[in-house]
Amino acid sequence: DPKIIQKPKYLVAVTGSEKILICEQYLGHNAMYWYRQSAKKPLEFMFSYSYQKLMDNQTASSRFQPQSSKKNHLDLQITALKPDDSATYFCASSQDGTGVSYEQYFGPGTRLTVL
Amino acid sequence: QEKVQQSPESLIVPEGAMSSLNCTFSNSASQSIWWYQQHPGKGPEALISIFSNGNKKEGRLTVYLNRASLHVSLHIRDSQPSDSAVYLCAVSGGGSNYKLTFGKGTLLTVTP
Repeated sequence: DPKIIQKPKYLVAVTGSEKILICEQYLGHNAMYWYRQSAKKPLEFMFSYSYQKLMDNQTASSRFQPQSSKKNHLDLQITALKPDDSATYFCASSQDGTGVSYEQYFGPGTRLTVL
Repeated sequence: QEKVQQSPESLIVPEGAMSSLNCTFSNSASQSIWWYQQHPGKGPEALISIFSNGNKKEGRLTVYLNRASLHVSLHIRDSQPSDSAVYLCAVSGGGSNYKLTFGKGTLLTVTP
């Protein structure tokens, strides 16, 4: 059974619209993350949450808003979509530990295309 | 801002050979260095990590870390066609335990 579920797998949106990317993890982890991977760029950190609190935000734009309704959920709302937002968005999770870097487990990704 | 550079961009080796991948990072205070494997259309999967100077071996994988030269390498012994994938070097720390900074990756192809 998949331990990290991301929905949908593929998403096509029009410029200016709003979409929500869903992530649920069943690993019992307290830390969750969003990363973005676009063509010819490295996998890029966006947000980290620990115990449903925002820990790091490396996304300059307020158009990207994470939403944590439950401990094992971290959705990503993207508003006013632009073609440059086209990328694969990965959710990840890990144990939480102060001063320790634990393995991050990645989901299968949501491929977003903005026309 | 942490920077991670990987080389080579791509590598082709015959089955049974040793594959050697390199990674340099910019912050000597970085915590752990991770190697991830990513197959097309899939999320990255962690293979091995290292924190202390020196080497670490797990199965066919050996990783070497030299913090003074900000360099880490991954060696895959007896490479198999199933090892063909993109290998990502990732560095944690630099002010946050939660953030991984990734390199662009090395595309490894193992030919039968």
